Amino acid sequence: VQLVESGGALVQPGGSLRLSCAASGFTFSDYWMSWVRQAPGKGLEWVANSKPDGSEQYYVDSVKGRFTISRDNANNSLYLQMKYLGAEDTALYYCVRLDRWLPSGWGHGALVTVSS
Amino acid sequence: DIQMTQSPSTLSASVGDRVTITCRASQTISDWLAWYQQKPGKVPKLLISKASALETGVPSRFSGSGSETEFTLTISCLQPDDFAIYYCQQYSSYSYTFGQGTKLEIK
Repeated sequence: VQLVESGGALVQPGGSLRLSCAASGFTFSDYWMSWVRQAPGKGLEWVANSKPDGSEQYYVDSVKGRFTISRDNANNSLYLQMKYLGAEDTALYYCVRLDRWLPSGWGHGALVTVSS
Repeated sequence: DIQMTQSPSTLSASVGDRVTITCRASQTISDWLAWYQQKPGKVPKLLISKASALETGVPSRFSGSGSETEFTLTISCLQPDDFAIYYCQQYSSYSYTFGQGTKLEIK
């Protein structure tokens, strides 16, 4: 299982950013996928889940209406579109594969910093 | 979202001690509760699923119990490698939530 995030950057408050996760080593379209974040020196926060076929998405309340999880099963890719970013969104964002509802693989993370 | 509350936030203990961390859910989650260990600079490691099922390779000194809204993680006979941050996480709903974490530090 290999998950490689990209797209992390420094972005101004109110800005937008899209994270990508390239998956390999498994049949991507068979698995629920998630984004989990961790602010510097803080705890873990589950951000979003995506059903294997991409037909359903679930979000933590703090990102609903601002973040969108999506996937391209043909290209083994997971995305997180983030809008109206604030300082509270500064974090390391992990791409996570779920197996039997729990993590069975983590990426190395993509750092998003929201600051002027 | 279901809220998960861990206690204590910090726990000081010595090698050989037995320690217990508590996790409470804001509503019933049956036994859809997992425990993780995280060390600095590393991704979390899954220790226990379904409240009490030890993951393969996790030492037997780790155990979990509880159901509905109250859960515990117990580590018997602490080893030096066990000093880390521990998180509970519910997966009863499709919107998962973690507890805020418990830092287990050396006394």
